[in-house]
Amino acid sequence: ILNVEQSPQSLHVQEGDSTNFTCSFPSSNFYALHWYRWETAKSPEALFVMTLNGDEKKKGRISATLNTKEGYSYLYIKGSQPEDSATYLCAPRMDSNYQLIWGAGTKLIIKP
Amino acid sequence: DVKVTQSSRYLVKRTGEKVFLECVQDMDHENMFWYRQDPGLGLRLIYFSYDVKMKEKGDIPEGYSVSREKKERFSLILESASTNQTSMYLCTSGTPSTSYNEQFFGPGTRLTVL
Repeated sequence: ILNVEQSPQSLHVQEGDSTNFTCSFPSSNFYALHWYRWETAKSPEALFVMTLNGDEKKKGRISATLNTKEGYSYLYIKGSQPEDSATYLCAPRMDSNYQLIWGAGTKLIIKP
Repeated sequence: DVKVTQSSRYLVKRTGEKVFLECVQDMDHENMFWYRQDPGLGLRLIYFSYDVKMKEKGDIPEGYSVSREKKERFSLILESASTNQTSMYLCTSGTPSTSYNEQFFGPGTRLTVL
């Protein structure tokens, strides 16, 4: 079974501060990496999908980078706001397999 | 917008009962998946289906079965519920042709087995 690790498991950040967290995955047979945001009482929603080494994606104050050679991705949030409180999930897809392999998530709590 | 619905948000059942969890998607997606999510663990794949009448075991199929008689509907069945099946169950759908197999989630069913 492929191992996907997300760290830290949880994170408390002061409103206005910037933060980042990590997703590590096997670098061999990499195909694509998905980031999702899961807010309490809602369904997980897709944030980004990245495929190429060195990819960087941005959506508002949230951005992500990808290193496929060493098998990691960073998610950055600039100037955290209360609405950023959520669990952030990463899920690589290996080869052409239809399945995504899910990390356990990083739970982000923004303190006002 | 893609819509994935699940039959119940919360469900309480007794040990030994047969439990049906239903998932319906409205985007004509080929692929559908059932996961369970437990604290501290990533989503674990129970079963998936690439087409009508097709089913494949995921990582933790024991104690579960599935049915896909129509393309839009994927049902998860607990033949005889046990307390270790208390969990959040999430259904997703997707198609290989979009965004490297992005999956769209239902709202989840929180099942408690007493």
